[in-house]
This record gives sequence, C-alpha cells and structure tokens, in this order.
Amino acid sequence: AQKITQTQPGMFVQEKEAVTLDCTYDTSDQSYGLFWYKQPSSGEMIFLIYQGSYDEQNATEGRYSLNFQKARKSANLVISASQLGDSAMYFCAMREGNRDDKIIFGKGTRLHILP
Amino acid sequence: DSGVTQTPKHLITATGQRVTLRCSPRSGDLSVYWYQQSLDQGLQFLIQYYNGEERAKGNILERFSAQQFPDLHSELNLSSLELGDSALYFCASSSRIQAGGRNEQFFGPGTRLTVL
Repeated sequence: AQKITQTQPGMFVQEKEAVTLDCTYDTSDQSYGLFWYKQPSSGEMIFLIYQGSYDEQNATEGRYSLNFQKARKSANLVISASQLGDSAMYFCAMREGNRDDKIIFGKGTRLHILP
Repeated sequence: DSGVTQTPKHLITATGQRVTLRCSPRSGDLSVYWYQQSLDQGLQFLIQYYNGEERAKGNILERFSAQQFPDLHSELNLSSLELGDSALYFCASSSRIQAGGRNEQFFGPGTRLTVL
C-alpha cells in the first residue's frame, strides 16, 4: 500500500485564488512528521512546510499552511493568493517514527497557475 | 540556493560503466541523504549518512554504494550501469541534532545521469 497518496496529478488554478493540494498518508506510528516540498521546472527541491504528528496547531509558513486532520490521516497544503511563480510540482512526504530520518515521498501534484 | 552542492550537474555514460556523484552538505550539517528521482519510480530515498556512519537505508541497489568522508562530503557510486539507472540523483543535508522532529532536509540541485 502506498504510504503517501496524492490524488491530483495536475491542477489548474487562476492567479490570486487559493489552492488546496491533497495528501493522505498511511502509518501505524504515533510519532511522525509530514513535509511539503516544491519542485519548479528548474528541478531543485524546495522545503515549504512541516507538521509534526503531535503538533496541535496547523503549521503555517507565509502563504503556505498545512490543513492537518490526524483522524483522517490527511495533510493538505493550502496556498493562499496564488502567484504565477507557484507553478511547479508539489510533493507531500512523511517521516515515520523517530528511528531515522528517511522520508517517503508521494507521486506529486503538478500545479499550473493561470494568468 | 540551499547551500548543498552537487557535482557534476550532468553525466552521460554507457551501460556497464561506473560513475561517482559528489555532494557537499550545508556548512555544519552532519547528515547527508541520497535520493533518486525517475519518471516511473518517482522520488525514492536511497541512503542516509550521519557524521560518517550509515544511518538508514532505502531502496538502494547492491550495485550502488555511498560513503561520507571526514570532511562530511559524500559520494554515491553507481556501477554496472543499466539504462534504467537514468535519473536525477539528489543529495540533501540536515543538521539532525536528534532523530525525528522538524529536521527538514535541504536539497542540492541534483545530478542528471543519462545512461546510453
């Protein structure tokens, strides 16, 4: 079974609108971490936001917020007021437990921001 | 710029050959991670080193090996290359004060390997 599921292979969103990228995860660990990374067409991987499984508040980093619903095992990324520069591939990822720092990535969602 | 450097940026070689990819982590980071990104497999964790020692292993083939040197730079060696090894290979680093926690990984620009 997939550990990280991103069900939207591609999305088109009008500039300035908010966008939600879906991510569900599967783990039996109580302690885990969830990450979102952005990969523009240039290829580099850019860290966006982190949510720990014991964090009570949803994580926010500027225009990025993570809608963490633990019971549903959901960790959706919300980008407010989208910009043309947000067009990229977005990956949800998970670190299970505290034994090591191995991160498992989802397949990604390609986001296109339309002018 | 993440502060992680990788060389070379591009590498073209033939099947059966051996190549070495190099990574320098961010200043002060003790952990180095290697990932492979291919169209069919997506982004896959290969291996992690912490201060010179192997800490975690993922889907790394036996033909692949890695090490981290005393100056903390790391090398990923790929041997007996096959067409399917063509991919983007990323190195990442983190400070990893302790396992778990935020400990985000900062990625280098990647090395694109093409096996002909």
